[in-house]
Parts: sequence; structure tokens; C-alpha cells
Amino acid sequence: RKEVEQDPGPFNVPEGATVAFNCTYSNSASQSFFWYRQDCRKEPKLLMSVYSSGNEDGRFTAQLNRASQYISLLIRDSKLSDSATYLCVVIDNNDMRFGAGTRLTVKP
Amino acid sequence: EAQVTQNPRYLITVTGKKLTVTCSQNMNHEYMSWYRQDPGLGLRQIYYSMNVEVTDKGDVPEGYKVSRKEKRNFPLILESPSPNQTSLYFCASSSYVRGPFYFGEGSWLTVV
Repeated sequence: RKEVEQDPGPFNVPEGATVAFNCTYSNSASQSFFWYRQDCRKEPKLLMSVYSSGNEDGRFTAQLNRASQYISLLIRDSKLSDSATYLCVVIDNNDMRFGAGTRLTVKP
Repeated sequence: EAQVTQNPRYLITVTGKKLTVTCSQNMNHEYMSWYRQDPGLGLRQIYYSMNVEVTDKGDVPEGYKVSRKEKRNFPLILESPSPNQTSLYFCASSSYVRGPFYFGEGSWLTVV
């Protein structure tokens, strides 16, 4: 079983749609969680950290469920500019584990 | 401006010719690491460093070396590159091992 698993997609949604991604992790001792965005052939960029209480940044909401060992990202009112690959990142001790990424395409 | 800088950004080289990809950060971060990204395999960690003179292997260290003589620099060395090292390489740094991490723009390496 992979340590961090994501649905690879692709997700193709119309503008204005709400889309949700999930990411499961295998190590219950994992300590930190993040969502990154990666555009084609570019470096991953931090989208948001994920806190136990859940957190929101504009149209983006991240949640952590430690009992079920998954994190989620919700994007409301999708924009064309949201098209990218979304990577979940799980950190335990010295290891940073990436999901393979979920590809999102927002269409007019 | 806070940044992680990698060089070269693009390189085509021949099998066996030693090369170094430099990585420098200006944020005084303790933690630095190298990744390679290949289609279908995602980002895989090559080496990481917790601080000056402290380095350790990641998931795919074979064929690579690193050094951390100064806090800001973490070069990746390919002593004898082979075609299976053709990849997109990213350097990342963080002030804390628990992140968040900041990435360089990437280095496209082709070994022929």
C-alpha cells in the first residue's frame, strides 16, 4: 500500500463548480499536512496547511480526519485559473511524503 | 525576496560526465532536500539535510551525492550520470522539518 494515496483524476469540471479531493495516508503518527499546487512543468507551490480543526482560505477549505487518516481539499466556485495538479503532502519525523497528485481542469 | 534558486535550469549531458546541480536558499532554513519527479511516479526524495554537515538518504539515493558545507547551499552531484537519471529535479527548503517547504523552479536534466 502506498504511504500517501490520491485519486489521480483527471477531474474535469465547469467554471463555478465545487470540487473535492481526498488524500489518505498510512502512518498514523504523521504530524504535518499540506496541499500544494503544481502547474505543468513548474515547481510545487504551497496552497495551504491543513489543521486538525479545519481551515479555510477564500474559496479553498482543507480538513484533516486523523481517525480515518485522510485530508481533503474543497474548492468552491472553480475558476479557469484553478486548473493544475494538486498534491497532498504528509510529514512524519524527517520524511515528507507526496501523493502522486490529482489533475484538475476547469472548463468554460 | 525569499527564494530557492537552482542552477542549471536546463541541461543535456552525456553518460558518465560528472555534473553538479546547485541549490541555494536565502531564508536561513535548516532543512533542505532534493527530489526528482518522473511521469506516473510523482515526487521522490533523493537526499535531505537537517543542517550543516548533516545529510541523509531519501527514497532514491543511488547514483547521487550531496554535501552541506554551508547552511544556504545544498548541491546535488551526479558522479557518473546515466540515462535513467533523466528527470525533473527540485530542491526544497524549510525552517522546520515539519514544513512548509519552498521549492526551487526545477532543473530539467537529460542524460544521453
